[in-house]
Amino acid sequence: DAKTTQPPSMDCAEGRAANLPCNHSTISGNEYVYWYRQIHSQGPQYIIHGLKNNETNEMASLIITEDRKSSTLILPHATLRDTAVYYCIVRVPSISNFGNEKLTFGTGTRLTIIP
Amino acid sequence: DTGVSQDPRHKITKRGQNVTFRCDPISEHNRLYWYRQTLGQGPEFLTYFQNEAQLEKSRLLSDRFSAERPKGSFSTLEIQRTEQGDSAMYLCASSLEPQNTEAFFGQGTRLTVV
Repeated sequence: DAKTTQPPSMDCAEGRAANLPCNHSTISGNEYVYWYRQIHSQGPQYIIHGLKNNETNEMASLIITEDRKSSTLILPHATLRDTAVYYCIVRVPSISNFGNEKLTFGTGTRLTIIP
Repeated sequence: DTGVSQDPRHKITKRGQNVTFRCDPISEHNRLYWYRQTLGQGPEFLTYFQNEAQLEKSRLLSDRFSAERPKGSFSTLEIQRTEQGDSAMYLCASSLEPQNTEAFFGQGTRLTVV
């Protein structure tokens, strides 16, 4: 079962920052927070991940609270192409502990960018 | 490298028939995942391989489902005696462990059972 809670939908005006929240109150100390998005009829696309420090890449920023119970994905200047379902995922340790865990998706947040 | 490739993109089959899907991961990726996604839901984990070894299977993977990765490269997912409830998008993803931490997904195979 997914270990995260996200709002089912959000709207954001084009050009503004989109802030997508995620709650993961039961996260374990060694679990990472991952964000993926899925544009209609495509496979999910990796965005960013982090453990406890804030992270930034060319796509987005990830802000993780100090207690690690929640996080926010920030798309700094949203465009129409950012319209998608965004998934916040906490990685589940695999039984073989190979170092990467399977991704358990919830239902995500459907983000709509408004022109 | 063109990314993760899945074939076919679409499959329509009659109930009771067997179907097989293929996934070609990114070259040299040692980890391969299969997911299933129904309308309005997030992808559900089915199984994954580390090289040719199948390391974990979801309870969703009934006896009618079987996945293989015989040479540690491409993988196949077979569904026997298909049911209407098997209609879904079947997604494949690959990653290189432990160096990389992101999984790359294919475009999926959309199965419709009539």
